Amino acid sequence: GAGVSQTPSNKVTEKGKYVELRCDPISGHTALYWYRQSLGQGPEFLIYFQGTGAADDSGLPNDRFFAVRPEGSVSTLKIQRTERGDSAVYLCASSRSGNLGETQYFGPGTRLLVL
Amino acid sequence: EDQVTQSPEALRLQEGESSSLNCSYTVSGLRGLFWYRQDPGKGPEFLFTLYSAGEEKEKERLKATLTKKESFLHITAPKPEDSATYLCAVQGGGSYIPTFGRGTSLIVHP
Repeated sequence: GAGVSQTPSNKVTEKGKYVELRCDPISGHTALYWYRQSLGQGPEFLIYFQGTGAADDSGLPNDRFFAVRPEGSVSTLKIQRTERGDSAVYLCASSRSGNLGETQYFGPGTRLLVL
Repeated sequence: EDQVTQSPEALRLQEGESSSLNCSYTVSGLRGLFWYRQDPGKGPEFLFTLYSAGEEKEKERLKATLTKKESFLHITAPKPEDSATYLCAVQGGGSYIPTFGRGTSLIVHP
């Protein structure tokens, strides 16, 4: 595609519910990243995929958060038992090959609100 | 641990009033310094990548420069449509993950 796309653009859920956020990277990009951004802050790293495998998941805050990329393209971020503190903008980015110093291109984000 | 500090936090300019945004960083072996623009309710939009001290890049009214300790984003004769938050990020050492600053919120008044 022309750019990184994310769905849904907005998600409102109740505390304790399960949510899935989807990211479709730029076509041909092998590296995919998930970030979380709170108001007034820069993006905070969650997880990095190289192909189908999670190369670095050190940013996931706890075991309620999980992400997959089964075919090396689309990725899904899954949040179980959501808490009000999970409310934030979830950003996805991709880069061509994940090389050091390579530019990442971001999607529009999914705004998650947990009531 | 990589660190990025952006200043000022917020900047208000009159249209045509040139200024600079600062990004100070600490990193072990810079691999890349990135500037992004972020409009309200949208994802960061890529502007520039700089790799070594002395490097400069330009795009329309924006010019990014890099030293061993900081980067500047110079805005010449800004227009109201330049209003946005500008994010700086650095990637260093063997890390594939950039560290972001908190951004500078720029408002340009007509």
